[in-house]
Amino acid sequence: AQSVTQPDARVTVSEGASLQLRCKYSYSATPYLFWYVQYPRQGLQLLLKYYSGDPVVQGVNGFEAEFSKSNSSFHLRKASVHWSDSAVYFCAVSMATGGNNKLTFGQGTVLSVIP
Amino acid sequence: EAAVTQSPRNKVAVTGGKVTLSCNQTNNHNNMYWYRQDTGHGLRLIHYSYGAGSTEKGDIPDGYKASRPSQENFSLILELATPSQTSVYFCASGDWVGGRDQDTQYFGPGTRLLVL
Repeated sequence: AQSVTQPDARVTVSEGASLQLRCKYSYSATPYLFWYVQYPRQGLQLLLKYYSGDPVVQGVNGFEAEFSKSNSSFHLRKASVHWSDSAVYFCAVSMATGGNNKLTFGQGTVLSVIP
Repeated sequence: EAAVTQSPRNKVAVTGGKVTLSCNQTNNHNNMYWYRQDTGHGLRLIHYSYGAGSTEKGDIPDGYKASRPSQENFSLILELATPSQTSVYFCASGDWVGGRDQDTQYFGPGTRLLVL
């Protein structure tokens, strides 16, 4: 069965610093990969997704992620964080077969940005 | 913009009682999903549906039923609620037609359920 691991439960960075949130997946083939963000008391919103091609994908609000097949990873990055980026970030994978794109989520990483 | 709404937003229930969580989407998506979110577990899939009249078991279906009476509506039913079902529940809708843009799931704002 596919699985997703986000090894960092909490990350704290200062405003203006760079950010990397880690995501490792386990799956026999290359899955579809997603990063979602959850702001307090809200549902999840899509940041970016990867299917194939260029391993670096751009998302909203200056976020990007890099897919590495050799490392089975899909790490999220941002060059300079803002206090409003404080939220919970989820990595997810999908097999996207059979007409259904069921998602398997990681445990989430709580990002705190210190002003 | 995709729109998924959930009701109620907050619910307090008693052990052994029946709870129904409702979800409505205006995206005309075929697929709908119910997840629960617990600290340390991320989101876990409870039930999903391919369209009106269909329901499928997800990864953690025990203790839950689902109903999809129409394209727009998808309900999650707890026939005999237990304290272990205290959680935040999210509904999502999406479509997969082999195209990239259609693979995104759109989430509702969540329902906080407390079972006493």
